[in-house]
Amino acid sequence: DQQVKQNSPSLSVQEGRISILNCDYTNSMFDYFLWYKKYPAEGPTFLISISSIKDKNEDGRFTVFLNKSAKHLSLHIVPSQPGDSAVYFCAASETGTYKYIFGTGTRLKVLA
Amino acid sequence: DADVTQTPRNRITKTGKRIMLECSQTKGHDRMYWYRQDPGLGLRLIYYSFDVKDINKGEISDGYSVSRQAQAKFSLSLESAIPNQTALYFCATSEGVVGANVLTFGAGSRLTVL
Repeated sequence: DQQVKQNSPSLSVQEGRISILNCDYTNSMFDYFLWYKKYPAEGPTFLISISSIKDKNEDGRFTVFLNKSAKHLSLHIVPSQPGDSAVYFCAASETGTYKYIFGTGTRLKVLA
Repeated sequence: DADVTQTPRNRITKTGKRIMLECSQTKGHDRMYWYRQDPGLGLRLIYYSFDVKDINKGEISDGYSVSRQAQAKFSLSLESAIPNQTALYFCATSEGVVGANVLTFGAGSRLTVL
């Protein structure tokens, strides 16, 4: 049973436009969420996180939104750049467990 | 040098062979994890360890075992490899700070079981 889902396997966006990547979760105990970016032949690298006490967190071009009632989070990248082309994973955790469950990933392609 | 080092980076083996993937870290983190990545399935947790004496099963531990030899070393073993264990394996560490906990991943070990 997939507790964390990324329903869009791929996404293509024009350079300069907004990229929106979505993630849904089923476990209401999850209260800490992370986004990772992965390039080919490399390990995933941390991008941004959000705790359930917030509904938004920004870091430069990256913003994560959390809708607890809908059990949904999204990552916005504005403006999108060709170097953002990668696979993006969301991950969820319940505070205190330190156990992270990942989604299936979304491959983002930013077109120049 | 990388904070989290995985060896080997690539391995091809045959069905039934025993395989060990090794992970070492220089971050001083207590928590270490093994994940596997498969196309369409994302990253799935195999085992995790919070200190040398603590080992926990993840989502897909069947067919795998682990050993935490020291705070800095966490190895994953496949006692008798089978083709559906062909995957990309990642080791990760975390510091364990409540509310600000982040996983740091190694570069991955690609395993092919023929």
